[in-house]
Amino acid sequence: ETGVTQTPRHLVMGMTNKKSLKCEQHLGHNAMYWYKQSAKKPLELMFVYNFKEQTENNSVPSRFSPECPNSSHLFLHLHTLQPEDSALYLCASSQEPRVGKLFFGSGTQLSVL
Amino acid sequence: LAKTTQPISMDSYEGQEVNITCSHNNIATNDYITWYQQFPSQGPRFIIQGYKTKVTNEVASLFIPADRKSSTLSLPRVSLSDTAVYYCLVEGGANNLFFGTGTRLTVIP
Repeated sequence: ETGVTQTPRHLVMGMTNKKSLKCEQHLGHNAMYWYKQSAKKPLELMFVYNFKEQTENNSVPSRFSPECPNSSHLFLHLHTLQPEDSALYLCASSQEPRVGKLFFGSGTQLSVL
Repeated sequence: LAKTTQPISMDSYEGQEVNITCSHNNIATNDYITWYQQFPSQGPRFIIQGYKTKVTNEVASLFIPADRKSSTLSLPRVSLSDTAVYYCLVEGGANNLFFGTGTRLTVIP
């Protein structure tokens, strides 16, 4: 148990669906992150949040929309996804942004049909 | 950015010591070296972090030479459960959130 919880663990959606991924951290950290990991590829950093404010968006398509209502919760809203968006989506947190070790959730395995 | 280079894969027999080396020629003065372990369909897990010389914890040891241009993760007496992907990161400034391809370690019975 890392202190970072992601739901759901698995998600199958069609290209016209709208769904959301949820992440919650119980560590009192100030920074949260979304990563994408496609099959046999390195982790790709998508978004960085610091104290609820988005500080980085690494050229992520607008069909991915993050939301951080407070420093403990992070969402990733999905709409009109493509099959190539199928991947493991990982949430992570750290005490401060870009400092110290990252704590990851178990991820959401997303399949887009 | 300080780029890291690791072997793509390694095989080892159970009970052996495994050493995985990472090159980071452009490491900056303020950068730390951190290693993570990832099992399939799970997020990476922190293993160890160091700045120079040697660091040891209950899981692994990290050896960093004086020039800090490389580091070696040492796993003593590996078991089948150590089969995973191991990532080396150089942390500091803009570098610490970017994972490379990692080293896929396979432990053989």
